[in-house]
Amino acid sequence: DAGVIQSPRHEVTEMGQEVTLRCKPISGHNSLFWYRQTMMRGLELLIYFNNNVPIDDSGMPEDRFSAKMPNASFSTLKIQPSEPRDSAVYFCASSLMAGAETQYFGPGTRLLVL
Amino acid sequence: DAKTTQPNSMESNEEEPVHLPCNHSTISGTDYIHWYRQLPSQGPEYVIHGLTSNVNNRMASLAIAEDRKSSTLILHRATLRDAAVYYCILREQGAQKLVFGQGTRLTINP
Repeated sequence: DAGVIQSPRHEVTEMGQEVTLRCKPISGHNSLFWYRQTMMRGLELLIYFNNNVPIDDSGMPEDRFSAKMPNASFSTLKIQPSEPRDSAVYFCASSLMAGAETQYFGPGTRLLVL
Repeated sequence: DAKTTQPNSMESNEEEPVHLPCNHSTISGTDYIHWYRQLPSQGPEYVIHGLTSNVNNRMASLAIAEDRKSSTLILHRATLRDAAVYYCILREQGAQKLVFGQGTRLTINP
Protein backbone atom coordinates (compact mmCIF):
# COMPACT_ATOMS: atom_id res chain seq x y z
CA ASP A 1 0.00 0.00 0.00
CA ALA A 2 1.38 3.40 -1.01
CA GLY A 3 -0.01 5.17 2.02
CA VAL A 4 -1.39 8.69 1.93
CA ILE A 5 0.17 10.67 -0.89
CA GLN A 6 0.60 14.42 -0.76
CA SER A 7 1.88 16.83 -3.36
CA PRO A 8 3.84 18.92 -3.65
CA ARG A 9 6.20 18.01 -0.81
CA HIS A 10 7.60 21.53 -0.73
CA GLU A 11 6.10 24.78 -1.98
CA VAL A 12 7.60 28.25 -1.93
CA THR A 13 5.39 31.06 -3.08
CA GLU A 14 4.97 34.78 -2.74
CA MET A 15 2.38 36.55 -0.68
CA GLY A 16 -0.85 36.98 -2.58
CA GLN A 17 -0.43 33.92 -4.77
CA GLU A 18 -2.86 31.02 -4.83
CA VAL A 19 -1.60 27.77 -3.35
CA THR A 20 -3.15 24.36 -3.94
CA LEU A 21 -2.16 21.34 -1.87
CA ARG A 22 -3.21 17.88 -2.98
CA CYS A 23 -3.91 14.63 -1.20
CA LYS A 24 -4.66 11.09 -2.26
CA PRO A 25 -5.98 9.01 0.65
CA ILE A 26 -5.35 5.32 1.12
CA SER A 27 -7.54 3.35 -1.26
CA GLY A 28 -10.76 2.25 0.42
CA HIS A 29 -10.57 4.85 3.17
CA ASN A 30 -13.72 6.89 3.54
CA SER A 31 -12.59 9.67 5.87
CA LEU A 32 -10.03 12.36 5.08
CA PHE A 33 -8.49 14.98 7.34
CA TRP A 34 -6.41 18.11 6.76
CA TYR A 35 -4.08 19.28 9.55
CA ARG A 36 -1.65 22.16 9.83
CA GLN A 37 1.50 22.18 11.99
CA THR A 38 3.39 25.26 13.13
CA MET A 39 5.89 25.82 15.89
CA MET A 40 3.56 28.24 17.64
CA ARG A 41 0.28 26.31 17.45
CA GLY A 42 1.37 22.70 17.04
CA LEU A 43 -0.81 20.30 15.07
CA GLU A 44 -4.32 21.59 14.35
CA LEU A 45 -7.21 19.92 12.55
CA LEU A 46 -8.50 22.16 9.79
CA ILE A 47 -11.30 20.14 8.21
CA TYR A 48 -12.42 16.57 7.69
CA PHE A 49 -14.61 14.71 5.22
CA ASN A 50 -16.66 11.53 5.42
CA ASN A 51 -17.57 9.92 2.10
CA ASN A 52 -16.42 13.07 0.28
CA VAL A 53 -18.72 15.33 2.33
CA PRO A 54 -17.21 18.01 4.59
CA ILE A 55 -18.27 17.30 8.16
CA ASP A 56 -16.45 19.84 10.29
CA ASP A 57 -14.56 22.85 8.95
CA SER A 58 -14.44 24.75 12.24
CA GLY A 59 -10.65 24.62 12.19
CA MET A 60 -10.30 26.44 8.88
CA PRO A 61 -8.65 29.72 9.84
CA GLU A 62 -10.52 32.07 7.52
CA ASP A 63 -12.22 32.43 4.19
CA ARG A 64 -8.91 32.38 2.36
CA PHE A 65 -8.82 28.65 3.02
CA SER A 66 -11.03 26.18 1.17
CA ALA A 67 -11.02 22.41 0.82
CA LYS A 68 -12.74 20.09 -1.61
CA MET A 69 -13.04 16.38 -2.11
CA PRO A 70 -14.48 15.78 -5.58
CA ASN A 71 -14.11 12.00 -5.30
CA ALA A 72 -12.97 9.30 -2.92
CA SER A 73 -9.37 9.38 -4.12
CA PHE A 74 -8.56 13.07 -4.23
CA SER A 75 -8.76 16.17 -2.07
CA THR A 76 -7.38 19.69 -2.33
CA LEU A 77 -6.68 22.41 0.18
CA LYS A 78 -6.50 25.84 -1.40
CA ILE A 79 -5.24 29.09 0.04
CA GLN A 80 -6.13 32.24 -1.89
CA PRO A 81 -4.54 34.70 -1.38
CA SER A 82 -1.66 33.26 0.62
CA GLU A 83 0.02 35.19 3.44
CA PRO A 84 3.34 34.67 5.23
CA ARG A 85 1.51 33.48 8.37
CA ASP A 86 0.20 30.53 6.34
CA SER A 87 3.72 29.10 6.28
CA ALA A 88 3.47 25.69 7.91
CA VAL A 89 3.53 21.97 7.24
CA TYR A 90 0.18 20.73 6.02
CA PHE A 91 -0.68 17.09 6.63
CA CYS A 92 -3.40 15.01 5.08
CA ALA A 93 -4.62 11.89 6.87
CA SER A 94 -7.17 9.21 6.08
CA SER A 95 -9.02 6.57 8.02
CA LEU A 96 -11.07 3.56 7.03
CA MET A 97 -14.40 4.97 8.15
CA ALA A 98 -15.97 7.55 10.40
CA GLY A 99 -14.90 6.85 13.95
CA ALA A 100 -12.18 4.41 12.93
CA GLU A 101 -9.51 4.03 15.55
CA THR A 102 -6.49 4.90 13.45
CA GLN A 103 -5.66 7.84 11.22
CA TYR A 104 -2.88 7.39 8.69
CA PHE A 105 -0.90 10.51 7.93
CA GLY A 106 0.86 11.53 4.76
CA PRO A 107 4.39 12.95 4.66
CA GLY A 108 3.14 16.54 4.61
CA THR A 109 3.59 19.57 2.38
CA ARG A 110 6.00 22.19 3.68
CA LEU A 111 4.69 25.60 2.60
CA LEU A 112 6.69 28.78 2.75
CA VAL A 113 4.99 32.04 1.83
CA LEU A 114 7.42 34.89 1.31
CA ASP B 1 -11.96 18.15 24.69
CA ALA B 2 -10.44 16.64 27.81
CA LYS B 3 -6.86 17.75 28.33
CA THR B 4 -3.68 15.73 28.70
CA THR B 5 -0.42 16.75 30.36
CA GLN B 6 2.93 15.35 29.28
CA PRO B 7 6.53 16.26 30.09
CA ASN B 8 8.06 18.45 27.39
CA SER B 9 11.05 16.18 26.93
CA MET B 10 12.62 12.92 28.08
CA GLU B 11 15.90 11.23 27.42
CA SER B 12 16.84 7.58 27.50
CA ASN B 13 19.54 5.22 26.33
CA GLU B 14 19.44 2.79 23.47
CA GLU B 15 18.26 -0.73 24.33
CA GLU B 16 16.73 0.40 27.63
CA PRO B 17 13.02 0.59 28.43
CA VAL B 18 11.29 3.96 28.23
CA HIS B 19 8.23 4.98 30.22
CA LEU B 20 6.40 8.01 28.85
CA PRO B 21 3.80 9.39 31.28
CA CYS B 22 0.54 11.16 30.53
CA ASN B 23 -1.88 12.73 32.99
CA HIS B 24 -5.55 13.11 32.07
CA SER B 25 -7.39 13.82 35.31
CA THR B 26 -10.55 15.07 33.55
CA ILE B 27 -11.00 11.96 31.41
CA SER B 28 -14.58 10.86 30.90
CA GLY B 29 -15.88 7.30 30.85
CA THR B 30 -16.12 7.20 27.07
CA ASP B 31 -12.70 8.66 26.32
CA TYR B 32 -10.15 6.36 24.74
CA ILE B 33 -6.45 7.04 25.34
CA HIS B 34 -4.56 7.22 22.04
CA TRP B 35 -0.83 7.58 21.45
CA TYR B 36 0.71 8.82 18.25
CA ARG B 37 4.32 9.64 17.53
CA GLN B 38 5.97 11.91 15.01
CA LEU B 39 9.43 11.06 13.78
CA PRO B 40 11.56 13.93 12.45
CA SER B 41 10.26 15.35 9.17
CA GLN B 42 7.41 12.85 9.00
CA GLY B 43 3.69 12.84 9.65
CA PRO B 44 2.35 11.43 12.92
CA GLU B 45 1.87 7.69 13.15
CA TYR B 46 -0.43 5.66 15.35
CA VAL B 47 1.20 3.78 18.20
CA ILE B 48 -1.47 2.29 20.45
CA HIS B 49 -4.77 3.00 22.16
CA GLY B 50 -6.82 1.68 25.06
CA LEU B 51 -9.83 2.30 27.27
CA THR B 52 -9.37 0.62 30.64
CA SER B 53 -7.17 -2.44 30.35
CA ASN B 54 -3.48 -2.48 29.61
CA VAL B 55 -2.72 -3.03 25.92
CA ASN B 56 0.23 -4.49 24.05
CA ASN B 57 1.18 -4.43 20.40
CA ARG B 58 4.33 -4.86 18.38
CA MET B 59 5.36 -1.25 18.90
CA ALA B 60 4.66 -0.61 22.56
CA SER B 61 2.60 -1.28 25.67
CA LEU B 62 0.05 1.01 27.26
CA ALA B 63 -0.45 0.87 31.00
CA ILE B 64 -3.60 2.61 32.24
CA ALA B 65 -4.09 3.52 35.87
CA GLU B 66 -7.02 1.98 37.66
CA ASP B 67 -8.75 5.36 38.03
CA ARG B 68 -7.85 6.16 34.39
CA LYS B 69 -6.47 9.55 35.36
CA SER B 70 -3.06 8.70 34.03
CA SER B 71 -1.39 6.33 31.61
CA THR B 72 2.11 5.32 30.57
CA LEU B 73 3.41 4.39 27.16
CA ILE B 74 6.15 1.80 27.46
CA LEU B 75 8.79 1.19 24.82
CA HIS B 76 10.38 -2.03 25.97
CA ARG B 77 13.73 -1.65 24.29
CA ALA B 78 14.34 1.74 22.75
CA THR B 79 16.28 2.13 19.53
CA LEU B 80 17.61 5.26 17.89
CA ARG B 81 14.65 5.11 15.51
CA ASP B 82 12.28 5.65 18.43
CA ALA B 83 13.48 9.25 18.81
CA ALA B 84 10.32 11.25 18.14
CA VAL B 85 7.64 13.45 19.65
CA TYR B 86 5.05 11.28 21.42
CA TYR B 87 1.49 12.56 21.73
CA CYS B 88 -1.05 11.33 24.26
CA ILE B 89 -4.59 12.13 23.07
CA LEU B 90 -8.02 11.56 24.55
CA ARG B 91 -10.67 10.71 22.01
CA GLU B 92 -14.31 10.05 22.74
CA GLN B 93 -15.67 6.76 21.42
CA GLY B 94 -16.85 7.28 17.85
CA ALA B 95 -15.42 10.78 17.60
CA GLN B 96 -13.24 11.56 14.64
CA LYS B 97 -11.19 14.49 15.83
CA LEU B 98 -7.66 14.09 17.14
CA VAL B 99 -6.63 17.04 19.30
CA PHE B 100 -2.86 17.12 19.58
CA GLY B 101 -1.10 18.76 22.51
CA GLN B 102 2.60 19.59 22.61
CA GLY B 103 3.71 16.03 23.27
CA THR B 104 6.94 14.69 24.75
CA ARG B 105 10.11 14.93 22.73
CA LEU B 106 12.01 11.69 23.32
CA THR B 107 15.76 11.63 22.76
CA ILE B 108 17.57 8.30 22.60
CA ASN B 109 21.27 8.26 23.36
CA PRO B 110 23.47 5.66 21.66
